[in-house]
Amino acid sequence: ETGVTQTPRHLVMGMTNKKSLKCEQHLGHNAMYWYKQSAKKPLELMFVYNFKEQTENNSVPSRFSPECPNSSHLFLHLHTLQPEDSALYLCASSQGSTGNYGYTFGSGTRLTVV
Amino acid sequence: AQSVSQHNHHVILSEAASLELGCNYSYGGTVNLFWYVQYPGQHLQLLLKYFSGDPLVKGIKGFEAEFIKSKFSFNLRKPSVQWSDTAEYFCAVTSPSGNTGKLIFGQGTTLQVKP
Repeated sequence: ETGVTQTPRHLVMGMTNKKSLKCEQHLGHNAMYWYKQSAKKPLELMFVYNFKEQTENNSVPSRFSPECPNSSHLFLHLHTLQPEDSALYLCASSQGSTGNYGYTFGSGTRLTVV
Repeated sequence: AQSVSQHNHHVILSEAASLELGCNYSYGGTVNLFWYVQYPGQHLQLLLKYFSGDPLVKGIKGFEAEFIKSKFSFNLRKPSVQWSDTAEYFCAVTSPSGNTGKLIFGQGTTLQVKP
């Protein structure tokens, strides 16, 4: 375990479903991130939260909706997804938001949209 | 905008062979550089990082990387690979100033080590 826990590990959902991904860290970090990992493509940064405030939305479609109720928890709410949204969704956290510490990653949620 | 380029997409080596994976970034200012590894079915793990000082950085499991500022490069090396090094390797860069410090990743290099 890395200290960053993601649930569920696998998720299959239809295009009309609504589901949520959860990320939890108990490392005392104050910045949290969502990344999308697709085959043959670089990891794509989706959202950045610093002290619960969203500081970056990397032009992500509105069918992805993040929520950060506190510095330890991060959610990604999903609705009306498309098959091309199938990917590994990674959560990460860091001690600061300046990039000086590197990230700790969770194991990811493998999402399949059917 | 910052970007990271990893030249080798898929590398196949025999055990005991030497490894060098290329990484170039595009950013003219001060950068922090990282190599991450993702073993099959596992999470991304930090191999090594460079912030400042000695441009030759030692990481875990015998890996090292050299920062060459004039070439905007941060290549990963290992003198003798093992079958257990089979994994995907990601180079990443961030700037300690401005833009939230977000990590920008390369597209990754898949390393396959044959026993």
